[in-house]
Amino acid sequence: DVKVTQSSRYLVKRTGEKVFLECVQDMDHENMFWYRQDPGLGLRLIYFSYDVKMKEKGDIPEGYSVSREKKERFSLILESASTNQTSMYLCASTSPGGEQYFGPGTRLTVT
Amino acid sequence: KQEVTQIPAALSVPEGENLVLNCSFTDSAIYNLQWFRQDPGKGLTSLLLIQSSQREQTSGRLNASLDKSSGRSTLYIAASQPGDSATYLCAVNTGANSKLTFGKGITLSVRP
Repeated sequence: DVKVTQSSRYLVKRTGEKVFLECVQDMDHENMFWYRQDPGLGLRLIYFSYDVKMKEKGDIPEGYSVSREKKERFSLILESASTNQTSMYLCASTSPGGEQYFGPGTRLTVT
Repeated sequence: KQEVTQIPAALSVPEGENLVLNCSFTDSAIYNLQWFRQDPGKGLTSLLLIQSSQREQTSGRLNASLDKSSGRSTLYIAASQPGDSATYLCAVNTGANSKLTFGKGITLSVRP
């Protein structure tokens, strides 16, 4: 079974803090994604990566950066957390056949 | 730009009913379409993946169909159970690095 894990299920941070969200997949997938999910807005793509050290902006990259130093790990970084970044963050990876697998999500609250 | 629509946003049915969830998309040039289930506060679980060359896929009580030319997919759930209560999302892959475009989901409630 494909497994995508995220470092935290719940996280509370203060405004201005630097926040790291980690995602690891165990199936050697090349493509990995970070989304945020908000009520009424659905899932929105923040960044994705199609290979180590390769990344592309999604629909809402402002305020975020990413890092992919190893194939299995894709990190989302909030350089200076703000209250409007309070959200559910979901990581995913895609198999060569095109099936996307999601992690359990991180509920981030910025106060 | 691809847009995916799921209507209605919410649905409530009695246990045992067969039901159909609809998904429509604007651009028929897709690689595949995927149906997901999401329980409250959790991540998405993949239910079915239909490649563009396929017409349908089945898994247990679930059957998903795809009509690319009309930009539609349906998820059929047979003999619904309270445990089927969740939000169901469809997502379309247009092929550019497997980026998905999601619908906003249908929240299903199955009443005992």
